[in-house]
Amino acid sequence: AQSVTQPDIHITVSEGASLELRCNYSYGATPYLFWYVQSPGQGLQLLLKYFSGDTLVQGIKGFEAEFKRSQSSFNLRKPSVHWSDAAEYFCAVGRGAGSYQLTFGKGTKLSVIP
Amino acid sequence: DAGITQSPRYKITETGRQVTLMCHQTWSHSYMFWYRQDLGHGLRLIYYSAAADITDKGEVPDGYVVSRSKTENFPLTLESATRSQTSVYFCASRGDEQYFGPGTRLTVT
Repeated sequence: AQSVTQPDIHITVSEGASLELRCNYSYGATPYLFWYVQSPGQGLQLLLKYFSGDTLVQGIKGFEAEFKRSQSSFNLRKPSVHWSDAAEYFCAVGRGAGSYQLTFGKGTKLSVIP
Repeated sequence: DAGITQSPRYKITETGRQVTLMCHQTWSHSYMFWYRQDLGHGLRLIYYSAAADITDKGEVPDGYVVSRSKTENFPLTLESATRSQTSVYFCASRGDEQYFGPGTRLTVT
């Protein structure tokens, strides 16, 4: 069975600083990987996804993620964080090309210091 | 309005009562999903549906029932609510990506 680990429960960064959120997955086949963001009281919004090809994927809001098969990782990065990026971030792995049954990590809450 | 909606947005019910959470999508997506979100657990899949009249269990299906008579609707029923089912419930449908509804916050007292 697939699983996703987000080692950091809560991260605090200063506005303008760089950000990296860690995600490690366990999946037997080629993974379909996703990053979602959830603002307080809101649903989830897709930031980016990786299916195949270039291992560095670009997403919305200036985020990018890099797939590293050897490390079973899919870390999310942003070069300069804005106060509006404060939210909870979820990494997910999808099973199969058809159903997109997603297994989520437990999330990382990002706080931004002005 | 196009999109995915959930109702009610907030619900308080008592232990043992039946409660139904509604989910409606306007895209005619085949796949729909129900998740629950609990602190420290992230989102966990309860049930999903591949099409009308086709449903299957996810990770945490016990205590829940789903149906899908129409493509656009995917209601989730708690037949006899328990305190452990206090949670935020998200419905989603899959197009080119998985789109999530705004959530229903359910409190079972």
